[in-house]
Amino acid sequence: QKEVEQDPGPLSVPEGAIVSLNCTYSNSAFQYFMWYRQYSRKGPELLMYTYSSGNKEDGRFTAQVDKSSKYISLFIRDSQPSDSATYLCAIADAGKSTFGDGTTLTVKP
Amino acid sequence: EPEVTQTPSHQVTQMGQEVILRCVPISNHLYFYWYRQILGQKVEFLVSFYNNEISEKSEIFDDQFSVERPDGSNFTLKIRSTKLEDSAMYFCASSYPGQNYEQYFGPGTRLTVT
Repeated sequence: QKEVEQDPGPLSVPEGAIVSLNCTYSNSAFQYFMWYRQYSRKGPELLMYTYSSGNKEDGRFTAQVDKSSKYISLFIRDSQPSDSATYLCAIADAGKSTFGDGTTLTVKP
Repeated sequence: EPEVTQTPSHQVTQMGQEVILRCVPISNHLYFYWYRQILGQKVEFLVSFYNNEISEKSEIFDDQFSVERPDGSNFTLKIRSTKLEDSAMYFCASSYPGQNYEQYFGPGTRLTVT
């Protein structure tokens, strides 16, 4: 079983839509969950991280963790064409991060 | 805003040659990492480094790979004898100790082995 599994996409939405990106993880001991954004041929850029369960909001982005179901989500409100990128979920485990496969999002004007 | 830098941006090498990829982490970070991403695949952890020694490494990080912090600012990844399957983007990252959930990545070095 993979440590982190991510809904593969790709996802295409109109501008202004609410986007939901999702991952599941296998090890209930994980405590830190991150979302990165990656543009083509660039390095991952940390968007936000959450600790344990609950929600964290940053502008149009909300990260949500449900530890009971081992489910992590990123919601993007009022999506913009500039949000078009690949979104990576990741979990922090000791001295490393383990990434999902990524979901490519296209926001059409 | 401080950032992680990497050189070169693109390296082409022949199979069997040694390559050294260079990184300058964010100046007050003390944890350093290398990841790789084969085209179209996920970002994979290679190694983490703290206090001049390897903290953790993956099964990918075999004897062909080594890391070094040769001075106070650079962090390097050496591949001793490159194989075709080493072709990938290599990303360096850094973080504060105890905050490995907040890693900052460099722009990557694209390694092409021919």
